Amino acid sequence: SAVISQKPSRDICQRGTSLTIQCQVDSQVTMMFWYRQQPGQSLTLIATANQGSEATYESGFVIDKFPISRPNLTFSTLTVSNMSPEDSSIYLCSVGYSVYEQYFGPGTRLTVT
Amino acid sequence: AQKVTQAQTEISVVEKEDVTLDCVYETRDTTYYLFWYKQPPSGELVFLIRRNSFDEQNEISGRYSWNFQKSTSSFNFTITASQVVDSAVYFCALSGLPNRDDKIIFGKGTRLHILP
Repeated sequence: SAVISQKPSRDICQRGTSLTIQCQVDSQVTMMFWYRQQPGQSLTLIATANQGSEATYESGFVIDKFPISRPNLTFSTLTVSNMSPEDSSIYLCSVGYSVYEQYFGPGTRLTVT
Repeated sequence: AQKVTQAQTEISVVEKEDVTLDCVYETRDTTYYLFWYKQPPSGELVFLIRRNSFDEQNEISGRYSWNFQKSTSSFNFTITASQVVDSAVYFCALSGLPNRDDKIIFGKGTRLHILP
C-alpha cells in the first residue's frame, strides 16, 4: 500500500472563491483519482489523473469547475473553482497501479458558506 | 450498466453481536472485482478486501468474513463479535476490467452503529 496525504484536511470557504487541494503519495504511482463525497452520500468519481496526460473527467464534472494537475508520479492537485454551498463535500484522492487497486487519502472536508 | 445496492442504510447492534452487511451487484461483465471499504468517522477510506469474479471462496480475516455468491450476485460482509471500533460507514464497490471500465462504482454505504 501507499501512504497518502492531503492538504488541507478541512477548510471553510466563501462562495465564489476557489480552493486547491493537494494530494501527495510516498511512492510513484501510475494512477490518481479524485472523488467527491457529498454529505451522507456515496463516493462519486470526479476524474482520473494520469501523469503526462490530460485528466479524464466523468459525466457531470468539467475541467473549468474542477481543474486538475498531475505534474509528477507522486503529486496531484484538484481545484474547486467558483465555489457554491453545493460544493460542500469531502474530497478524496486515491492512488493505485490500476483501477482495482486503489488506496485512499484521508480526505479534505470542505464547507462553503 | 454496473450497479451496487446496499439496501441497509443504517444498522445498530449491541457490542459482541454478529452483524451482516448486505451487498447486491449488477454487471454484464464476466470478469469483475468486488470490494469492501470502511469509512470511520475520521473520514478516510480503509480498504478491507478485493475479490475477483472467478474466486467464489469465502474469506475470513479475524472477526471479518465475506460471502461471495455469484448465483445471487451478492457479496455480503459479516462482522463477528462486533466492537465499538467497528462503528463506521461500510461501502461495497464494483469495478470491471482495467482499460475497459476504469472506475470503481460504490454503493451508497451502510452506516453501522455498535452500541456499548
